[in-house]
This record gives sequence, structure tokens and C-alpha cells, in this order.
Amino acid sequence: ETGVTQSPTHLIKTRGQQVTLRCSSQSGHNTVSWYQQALGQGPQFIFQYYREEENGRGNFPPRFSGLQFPNYSSELNVNALELDDSALYLCASSRPNEKLFFGSGTQLSVL
Amino acid sequence: DQQVKQNSPSLSVQEGRISILNCDYTNSMFDYFLWYKKYPAEGPTFLISISSIKDKNEDGRFTVFLNKSAKHLSLHIVPSQPGDSAVYFCAASARRETGTASKLTFGTGTRLQVTL
Repeated sequence: ETGVTQSPTHLIKTRGQQVTLRCSSQSGHNTVSWYQQALGQGPQFIFQYYREEENGRGNFPPRFSGLQFPNYSSELNVNALELDDSALYLCASSRPNEKLFFGSGTQLSVL
Repeated sequence: DQQVKQNSPSLSVQEGRISILNCDYTNSMFDYFLWYKKYPAEGPTFLISISSIKDKNEDGRFTVFLNKSAKHLSLHIVPSQPGDSAVYFCAASARRETGTASKLTFGTGTRLQVTL
């Protein structure tokens, strides 16, 4: 059984650029959630995707957007990057209403 | 507004002793609580959970206690082992309100160090 995999592991961007992060969900899981973990903080919920549609969103601006594909993999897109977007981005997959399984994350640095 | 609080940033315990990690919450709509463990360079790993209809849940060396009236939960690890050294996150969700268990609100974490 393959776990949740994220790519890339590390990324450096400059302010104003756009970034796409990718996530492959664990086998059998059809729900994907994205979290942002800033340094010294706990993960913060960005949004969740179920059956290719956004199904719940946290307190993040519209420049944070996502996609889920028919194979349940997912992308997180962030436009107009700001310095405060520097964080660890975690993807988690699950079956509906079951516990989350997290990937190892993508460390994004915005300079 | 921190709805889930872990007031101890770090805890050091001797091997073999009990580790007690604490968590407080403010949102009375939370009905499902979880503990995750995180090692450096890895994602959080699920440890144990408890529904608001229970006050205790055990899984091997790990026990979670929930006190709804005090809006407080704790994780007990007995006996503590050096491999337990990690950051522990408390998380909560309002499954009935949001219709999903995926929207978790996390605390800021407690770093546990188990010494020999």
C-alpha cells in the first residue's frame, strides 16, 4: 500500500511568482486535504477536495486554489506569492470522515 | 483566535516514566479529537483519537482522556520510550457541524524529549 507522496520536497520562489505543489493520495482514499504549517505553528487547514470538487475551505485568500483529478491526486496552486507564504505545505488523504494520513510535505521558501 | 491550545512547548521525561501532554480547546462544537506525532522531515502520523461521547480511549501505551466540561484533553504515554521523542500535536474537528472529519484545527505542538 503506497502512502501519501508529495512533490517537490523543497522549493524556492520569489515574491509575486506562482507555484504548483503536487500530491498523490494513499491507495483507496478519495478525499484530499491541504494544510499550511508555518514555523513554530500547528498545521492550518487550507481546503479539502472530494470527488474533484472543493468541499470545505479554511481562512485562506482566493489566490490559494486547488484541483483534484479522477485518480484522486491533487494540486495546490498559489498565485502572487508573498513572503508570509513561506511554510511547510502538507497534503493529507483519507476516506470520507476518517482519519487523515499526511505526506512529508513541501517546504516552500519565498524570497 | 487560538481555538486549540497546547500551553507547554516542550516536555522532558525519563525513559520508563509517564509522559502527560495537555491540550485545551475553546470551541464547544468540537466533537472529535486526535493526537498526531511528528518527527523532523516527516508528515504528522496519527496516534490516537477520541469522540466527544467518550471520556477515555486506550491503545497500547497511549491513553487519551477527555474532560468536556473543562474543554481539556490529555495524552498519557506509559512507559515512555526514547523513540517517543517527537513533536505531538493535538487536533480537533467539528464533524457534526462541518460534515467532515478532514477540517482539523491543530494546536501549536509540544516537543517531547524522552531521556535515558
